[in-house]
Amino acid sequence: DGGITQSPKYLFRKEGQNVTLSCEQNLNHDAMYWYRQDPGQGLRLIYYSQIVNDFQKGDIAEGYSVSREKKESFPLTVTSAQKNPTAFYLCASSIVTGTPGFGYTFGSGTRLTVV
Amino acid sequence: AQSVTQPDIHITVSEGASLELRCNYSYGATPYLFWYVQSPGQGLQLLLKYFSGDTLVQGIKGFEAEFKRSQSSFNLRKPSVHWSDAAEYFCAVGENYGQNFVFGPGTRLSVLP
Repeated sequence: DGGITQSPKYLFRKEGQNVTLSCEQNLNHDAMYWYRQDPGQGLRLIYYSQIVNDFQKGDIAEGYSVSREKKESFPLTVTSAQKNPTAFYLCASSIVTGTPGFGYTFGSGTRLTVV
Repeated sequence: AQSVTQPDIHITVSEGASLELRCNYSYGATPYLFWYVQSPGQGLQLLLKYFSGDTLVQGIKGFEAEFKRSQSSFNLRKPSVHWSDAAEYFCAVGENYGQNFVFGPGTRLSVLP
């Protein structure tokens, strides 16, 4: 079955370290997205990419970086510059052509904890 | 800029009771509207969507939603809630092809036995 795979499910990081969250999709979707979720704050967009080798900052990009070298993959790096990285991170994908209003498909998330 | 509000942060209903979760949006053109459900520690699952046609849309798990343009609303309903419906529910509005969604803050649903 097609879907989005996020790994790992749980991740612990020491302060001052960079860490990379993986997101892979086999849906042949063009666009991919990273969201951060904190209790009571809904979803906030970090970065998104609509085509390979191109990506755009979302609302809270500071302290994060991404790459899109392959259509299937959109890894997120949480850098040491991110002041409060402990959160639940969600990856999503969508089409950008064809049937409108398709919506997003989400991965199952990665919970990052800074220790 | 588009925006979504969900006025209820937390709702508690008894199992078997009816449910209505409110969603209001602000958007200049005809919106694409979605409801998602999230179980604890999981990703979001699409319940239903509206982008044209019949304003009453049916979704999975017995949910339905009604688009009311005059009220800028897209409320989610279920006639009889099951304990397994306890989760967080997000309303979202998007542009064409689901790009750059705006999500509401979510409504947490608790179900009493």
